Amino acid sequence: AQKVTQAQTEISVVEKEDVTLDCVYETRDTTYYLFWYKQPPSGELVFLIRRNSFDEQNEISGRYSWNFQKSTSSFNFTITASQVVDSAVYFCALSEAGNQGGKLIFGQGTELSVKP
Amino acid sequence: SQTIHQWPATLVQPVGSPLSLECTVEGTSNPNLYWYRQAAGRGLQLLFYSVGIGQISSEVPQNLSASRPQDRQFILSSKKLLLSDSGFYLCAWSRWEYEKLFFGSGTQLSVL
Repeated sequence: AQKVTQAQTEISVVEKEDVTLDCVYETRDTTYYLFWYKQPPSGELVFLIRRNSFDEQNEISGRYSWNFQKSTSSFNFTITASQVVDSAVYFCALSEAGNQGGKLIFGQGTELSVKP
Repeated sequence: SQTIHQWPATLVQPVGSPLSLECTVEGTSNPNLYWYRQAAGRGLQLLFYSVGIGQISSEVPQNLSASRPQDRQFILSSKKLLLSDSGFYLCAWSRWEYEKLFFGSGTQLSVL
């Protein structure tokens, strides 16, 4: 069965601090896809990144970076030099190749609060 | 470009009343469509998904139902709402399986 665990319910940092959001997943498939989404106070989910299970290269996009480690079944997300606009709920999600329809299973989310 | 429309944005309904939430996608054809619910605890729960017209898969047994009468239209319904149906409902689409989902702006449903 597939499962996504985001153990950090809430994180609070001061602006310009670096922060890492943890994501641990469970799957029996060898082919799967991992995602991160951001949900600002407006409510709409914004796509951040998609990785497939065969690509373990870390990725950097501006202040955002992702560390994918199959050995520990983790897909962690780091924000460097955080800003107030980064305040949101962040979701990690998993889709197994065997899932009909490509449905995503989400973690419970981590609420990030960046204070000025 | 593709867009997804979801309405209404907010809805207050009494217990036992019917429900109809509509979602439409523009600018693409034969999308995969999804209904998610987000309760107060924040987790996103997949309710229904559809890979084609008239094809609906239910993930969680409940008093909600979904229909896809047209290629780019997805409707969430209930005949009689329960208090536990309150939550934030999100419609989403994807081009094909395992691709990223594009979400609508959501409907905040309060059942009183």
